[in-house]
Amino acid sequence: EAGVAQSPRYKIIEKRQSVAFWCNPISGHATLYWYQQILGQGPKLLIQFQNNGVVDDSQLPKDRFSAERLKGVDSTLKIQPAKLEDSAVYLCASSRDRGLSVGGIQYFGAGTRLSVL
Amino acid sequence: QKEVEQNSGPLSVPEGAIASLNCTYSDRVSQSFFWYRQYSGKSPELIMSIYSNGDKEDGRFTAQLNKASQYVSLLIRDSQPSDSATYLCAVTGNNDMRFGAGTRLTVKP
Repeated sequence: EAGVAQSPRYKIIEKRQSVAFWCNPISGHATLYWYQQILGQGPKLLIQFQNNGVVDDSQLPKDRFSAERLKGVDSTLKIQPAKLEDSAVYLCASSRDRGLSVGGIQYFGAGTRLSVL
Repeated sequence: QKEVEQNSGPLSVPEGAIASLNCTYSDRVSQSFFWYRQYSGKSPELIMSIYSNGDKEDGRFTAQLNKASQYVSLLIRDSQPSDSATYLCAVTGNNDMRFGAGTRLTVKP
């Protein structure tokens, strides 16, 4: 079974530029999550999708971050414009179960390491 | 603010010893509890999940949950140098998952 795929692995941009990350979950997994992990901290949930609908985006900074999962499979996370404090690893995860309310086990991708200069 | 607290460490144990990792959480309605292992520069991987009070054992790992005390722990028996990593405690409830900052464990040969 293929794991969660993410690209790119690394990205370096200047502040105020835009950037997009891509995630392909494990086949058959209905729920997809985007996390932000700042160095030395645990992952912070940004947004959770159930198929192509948003379940929770309460911690997504909506003035600059956006995410979509149009066909219920792949997802993209965009930052526009980027700030220095957005430097972090962006992790995508997926789970077969119907989300966090039922204790769904998540499988993480390798992440995208973003550096904003 | 719902918090998950872990001792950041570093925790250092000799090879073969028992490593004990602790986690407390503030949200009483939390339902599911997970321990993830994260090697430096890698993504988190699931070690254990626990949903009810008591102990759950899987090989060298034992998770312990006490909902009354809002406390979950992970014991690693016969620690190996390959266990050296950051261990993340994660707590879910109400469509929300929160991670602690992690405890860095070093197992010395």
